[in-house]
Amino acid sequence: DAGVIQSPRHEVTEMGQEVTLRCKPISGHDYLFWYRQTMMRGLELLIYFNNNVPIDDSGMPEDRFSAKMPNASFSTLKIQPSEPRDSAVYFCASSTGVDEKLFFGSGTQLSVL
Amino acid sequence: QKEVEQDPGPLSVPEGAIVSLNCTYSNSAFQYFMWYRQYSRKGPELLMYTYSSGNKEDGRFTAQVDKSSKYISLFIRDSQPSDSATYLCAMARGNFGNEKLTFGTGTRLTIIP
Repeated sequence: DAGVIQSPRHEVTEMGQEVTLRCKPISGHDYLFWYRQTMMRGLELLIYFNNNVPIDDSGMPEDRFSAKMPNASFSTLKIQPSEPRDSAVYFCASSTGVDEKLFFGSGTQLSVL
Repeated sequence: QKEVEQDPGPLSVPEGAIVSLNCTYSNSAFQYFMWYRQYSRKGPELLMYTYSSGNKEDGRFTAQVDKSSKYISLFIRDSQPSDSATYLCAMARGNFGNEKLTFGTGTRLTIIP
C-alpha cells in the first residue's frame, strides 16, 4: 500500500484566496483525521470522519475551515478565505479504528502571505 | 496545565549514547501510550505502542510506562545519526475510534556522529 497520500506538498497563496488540501487514506481504513501542526501549538486535531461521516469537528478553528469526505478514498480540507495565521503543516491520517494507531501522510506545507 | 507535557528540547547526544525521552500526563484514564517519530518534512510514524504499565522492547527501542507516576519514557540504545528526529508521545483512554489521541508537543533529538 502506498500509505496516506496528500496533495499538494507545498502551497503558497495570498491572503483571501481559497485553499484546498487533498487526502487519500489507506484503503480499508474507516477513520480519517485532519491535523494541523505548528511550532507553537504542536499537533492539533481539526476534524475526523468515520465511514465518510464527520464525527467531531470541534477542532476546526473557524467557519472559514470546512472538510468533506465524499467517498472512502478521498477527503478535502478547504480554507476560504485564507489568512496568514493559517500558515502551518496540515496532515491527514487514517486508521482502521480497531486500535489507536494512526498512519500519517507527508503533509501539506501551507504558507499564506 | 496541558494534559500531556513533553520537554521540547532540543536534545543533542553523541552517537552510541543511550537516549531517554519522557512525557508526563495528568489524566489517569489514559491506558494506551504511543511514541511517534517524525523526520523533518515528513509525517509522524508510529514507533512504539503500549498498553497500561510496564515495558515493551523493540530492537534498540524500549518504551516504559509508569501509570502510578503518570510518566512514560522512550529509551534508545546505541543511538545512530538516523535516529535524529522529533519524537512525540501520544495517549488515549481506549474507546477506539471514538475519541482523540492526545499528543505531546514533541522533543527534537539530534545524534552527533
